[in-house]
Amino acid sequence: QKEVEQDPGPLSVPEGAIVSLNCTYSNSAFQYFMWYRQYSRKGPELLMYTYSSGNKEDGRFTAQVDKSSKYISLFIRDSQPSDSATYLCAKGGPYNQGGKLIFGQGTELSVKP
Amino acid sequence: DAGVTQSPTHLIKTRGQQVTLRCSPKSGHDTVSWYQQALGQGPQFIFQYYEEEERQRGNFPDRFSGHQFPNYSSELNVNALLLGDSALYLCASRQGRDSPLHFGNGTRLTVT
Repeated sequence: QKEVEQDPGPLSVPEGAIVSLNCTYSNSAFQYFMWYRQYSRKGPELLMYTYSSGNKEDGRFTAQVDKSSKYISLFIRDSQPSDSATYLCAKGGPYNQGGKLIFGQGTELSVKP
Repeated sequence: DAGVTQSPTHLIKTRGQQVTLRCSPKSGHDTVSWYQQALGQGPQFIFQYYEEEERQRGNFPDRFSGHQFPNYSSELNVNALLLGDSALYLCASRQGRDSPLHFGNGTRLTVT
């Protein structure tokens, strides 16, 4: 079993839809969680990061972490064609694990006009 | 404010050769990590450099080595290239050891 599981999709939605992207993880010894967006032929771009359970909102994006069920979600409201990309969830270790992030496989999202 | 920059953007090498990839971190960042991303997969951690020393290493063979210079820039070296080393190699940087990573656009390596 992978440490971070993510449905690879592809996921196709109409413009304006609410998108829900999800990940599960298996190791509790991780303290923070991130969502990255990756356009084709580009590097991952940081969207959201959070250290605690609960919701964190930034514009049209909401990150949700449930540590009790080891579940991470990203919600995109009023989705736009420019949101079409691959979305990667990642978890990071405590302080002494530095820059090691464990990534999911990525979910490919397509938003149709 | 320049972000993380990597060179070259593309590279084609033959099996058995050696390759060096370069990275300049985002301004103000002192910690550099390297990741390998195979097609259709998430990035996998190779190693991290801080204060010119390798601080943490992922599950990669010794053929993969690196270096960090006093100006915080970094190199990734891969020896005895295998076909399976074909991937996008990503450099990421951060300030200190507990802030989010910022990635460059990567070097796409093709081994023939």
